[in-house]
Amino acid sequence: KNEVEQSPQNLTAQEGEFITINCSYSVGISALHWLQQHPGGGIVSLFMLSSGKKKHGRLIATINIQEKHSSLHITASHPRDSAVYICAVRGNYGQNFVFGPGTRLSVLP
Amino acid sequence: DTGVSQNPRHKITKRGQNVTFRCDPISEHNRLYWYRQTLGQGPEFLTYFQNEAQLEKSRLLSDRFSAERPKGSFSTLEIQRTEQGDSAMYLCASSTDRLSNQPQHFGDGTRLSIL
Repeated sequence: KNEVEQSPQNLTAQEGEFITINCSYSVGISALHWLQQHPGGGIVSLFMLSSGKKKHGRLIATINIQEKHSSLHITASHPRDSAVYICAVRGNYGQNFVFGPGTRLSVLP
Repeated sequence: DTGVSQNPRHKITKRGQNVTFRCDPISEHNRLYWYRQTLGQGPEFLTYFQNEAQLEKSRLLSDRFSAERPKGSFSTLEIQRTEQGDSAMYLCASSTDRLSNQPQHFGDGTRLSIL
């Protein structure tokens, strides 16, 4: 069993739809990182959180430490949101991150 | 803030050759990470530096791989006697520990292709 799992693996949505991407993990963590990767490889940090909820623009990230689960929501999705969204967790010991396999999102106009 | 810079962007080499990649982190960031990413997969942790000290190394980092950060600023990742399985995107990221839970900032990566 992978330490970090994401669902769905692929997601196609129509512009304007509300999108949810899920991340579950199996170990105790000190932080969870949501990242966005566009074609060509560039990775951008979206959120780093260890509890509760964070919001930035149309993006919302939540985490439930007890259930070992996090969600990334995109409201009013737009074709420019098309990318791979990656969840990464940092364990309670050390500084390295374990990454999920990513969710490929395509938002159609 | 010029971001994290990686060079070269692409490297094509023959099997058995040595390659070296460079990462220049954001100047005030004391933490530096190297990751490897293959097509369709998430990044895999390779190693981590706090200033010039290499504090963590993944089991993925075989003895053909070595990383340095001699003055706590830029870092190099060398792969000796490259193999076809080394073909991947090598990503560098940096962060600061001045505040807790600071995000990592990623470079654009170096794509390595082994012929």
